[in-house]
Amino acid sequence: QSVLTQSPSASQTPGQRVTISCSGSGSNIGNNYVYWYQQLPGTAPKLLIYSTNQRPPGVPDRFSGSKSGTSASLAIRELRSEDEADYYCATWDDSLSAQVFGGGTKLTVL
Amino acid sequence: QVHLQQWGAGLLKPSETLSLTCGVYGGSFSNYFYNWIRQPPGQGLEWIGEINHSGNTNYNPSLKSRVTMSVDTAKNQCFLNLTSVTAADTAVYYCVRENDAVSDWGQGTLVTVSS
Repeated sequence: QSVLTQSPSASQTPGQRVTISCSGSGSNIGNNYVYWYQQLPGTAPKLLIYSTNQRPPGVPDRFSGSKSGTSASLAIRELRSEDEADYYCATWDDSLSAQVFGGGTKLTVL
Repeated sequence: QVHLQQWGAGLLKPSETLSLTCGVYGGSFSNYFYNWIRQPPGQGLEWIGEINHSGNTNYNPSLKSRVTMSVDTAKNQCFLNLTSVTAADTAVYYCVRENDAVSDWGQGTLVTVSS
C-alpha cells in the first residue's frame, strides 16, 4: 500500500490531453515539492517534473505539473504514442522521514 | 555526459547480504545525493535511502535496521549493503544521482533471493 495514491491506469487518444493525479496528505504533498517520473517498458525511470512544476532540460513542454493542497497532477497535452508508459509521483514525507512514491499509473495511448 | 554503472551479485540465498556498487563516470561526484531505489518485478518503486558525497545518510525507516550506504569519493563510487535478505527483497535495484533538476539513473541490477 503506497503512501501516495495514484489511479492504476489511464487512457486517452493521440493528440488529446490527459491528467494523472497523485493524492497524499499534509505531511507529504501538502508540505513538500512533488516529482514525476516516466518509466518506459524495460527501462529505468526518467525525471519529468521536479519541484512540483519544473521541467528538466530536454523534457517537452507538453508535460506540466501542478499541486493543490494535498494533491498533485501531471498533465500531458498533445498525447503521442511514445508517451505510453508508467508514471510515478514522489515526494518527501515529513512524518516518515522518507521519500515516498505513488503506486504508479499505467498510461495507454489508444 | 554522466554515466552510472552498477554491479553486484544477482542471485542470493535467504539470510545473505546484498552488496551493490555504483560507479559515476563522466561527471561530478560531489554536490549530489545518491539514492538507492528498488522495484520488485511488476510492481512500483520503493526508496531505500540516500547518501551524499560527505557520507551523510537518510534511510527508509522500514529498511533502516538492515541498510548501510557508503561512498568512496576517490573512486567516485557509492555502495549499498542490505543484510538478512529474504524473497521479499527480490527486485531491480537502481542507483540514482540526484540534485533538483538532475536525476541520473543506473541501468538497474536484478537481485533475486531464492534458496
